[in-house]
Amino acid sequence: QVQLQESGPGLVKPSETLSLTCSVSGGSISSFYWNWVRQPPGKGLEWIGYIFYSGSTNYNPSLKSRVTISVDTFKNQFSLKLSSVTAADTAVYYCARARSAMVDFDPWGQGILVTVSS
Amino acid sequence: EIVMTQSPATLSVSPGERATLSCRASQSVSSNLAWYQQKPGQAPRLLIYGASTRATDIPARFSGSGSGTEFTLTISSLQSEDFAVYCCHQYNDWPLTFGGGTKVEIK
Repeated sequence: QVQLQESGPGLVKPSETLSLTCSVSGGSISSFYWNWVRQPPGKGLEWIGYIFYSGSTNYNPSLKSRVTISVDTFKNQFSLKLSSVTAADTAVYYCARARSAMVDFDPWGQGILVTVSS
Repeated sequence: EIVMTQSPATLSVSPGERATLSCRASQSVSSNLAWYQQKPGQAPRLLIYGASTRATDIPARFSGSGSGTEFTLTISSLQSEDFAVYCCHQYNDWPLTFGGGTKVEIK
């Protein structure tokens, strides 16, 4: 059974870069689409973007100028970088798998809270 | 982008009763809609995809219906473990978007 686990700093300073990693266990990262989704406190989910195992990406236009998603097939993990963060980027960040580019997400990681504060 | 609106925001239901949750899309998403269950500190769980197909190991008390812009998630007889937040997700158009969620609480 595939499991996903997010990791990274829980506190990031304003204007700095948020960096998170999603480790995939119980299955290969190959042949799937790997997504990042976030949820600000008290708000709904927001799709950030995906990376295909081959390296192709697609980002939400609202975040595109600040987002980079990369994959490391040897380590079976993928990563998120979000630059120039502000308090509005405070959220629980989830990683999730998709069978193709435009389908449901299953499974998800349990999420990691990242707070942007000085 | 397609805006997904869920109602009600909170639904108070007694155990054993039926719960009906709504999700409306600002434009047609065909049947490209999923429902997820969220509990604090846990990974969101896929319940329904393709608007009406139950995901693996999801109990039959969960059912989804609708197409186009109007969708419904029905929980036929609420169990204690079903009290959670439920969220819809359209994957018909970019960017992918989610509803704001409906919290199902114990009455």
